[in-house]
Amino acid sequence: QVQLEESGPGLVKASQTLSLTCTVSGGSISSGNYYWSWIRQHPGKDLEWIAYVYSNGNTYYNPSLKSRVTISLDTSKNHFYLKVTAVTAADTAVYYCARGHCPAGSCPNWFDPWGQGTLVTVSS
Amino acid sequence: EIVLTQSPGTLSLSPGERATLSCRASQSVSSSSLAWYQQKPGQAPRLLIYGASNRATGIPDMFSGSGSGTDFTLTISRLEPEDFAVYYCQQYGSSPCTFGQGTKLE
Repeated sequence: QVQLEESGPGLVKASQTLSLTCTVSGGSISSGNYYWSWIRQHPGKDLEWIAYVYSNGNTYYNPSLKSRVTISLDTSKNHFYLKVTAVTAADTAVYYCARGHCPAGSCPNWFDPWGQGTLVTVSS
Repeated sequence: EIVLTQSPGTLSLSPGERATLSCRASQSVSSSSLAWYQQKPGQAPRLLIYGASNRATGIPDMFSGSGSGTDFTLTISRLEPEDFAVYYCQQYGSSPCTFGQGTKLE
């Protein structure tokens, strides 16, 4: 079955750029009607959807983060990526990549499966 | 964006009991576009329910979802020790999708 795994630095300095990679195994990110997404969970446990990238490269961002976030994919590597610029302490969170499903309506719908998550701490 | 409020914040029950978790939306969620997830410590959320009442693959029928409009419920019919976790609802009827703040089942 499809599995996802996040990777990237666990510590980023304030004002710098956070870069994460999601490696997808057990299936191709270029097939199927899936919306490859990043979601984060703050230390207070709130979950926040960040962005998705579709297999054709189309992207969509949460308006609250849109000005600082870029999502992209590399189908040859079966990876997708997240960049967040000008990070602050408020960006400290566990970052998850997940496969978004969208049989109908506003995409993505639900998320399944998720990666195990990677903790990113922003230091001053 | 739609704000989801889950209640109670913490639910204290014993194995064998029935659990009822609530998720209320700040505005109507179209087409019952609501999902439920279970999260255990140190793990990612796991999809339980989508479309308000459809169990995800491999989820036992002790888990059931119901509701429409602004009020949704997750019911666990008979608690097993492994069911004690945090449960989140998520709406995807309106963009951006949003999550509730969670209910801890202890």
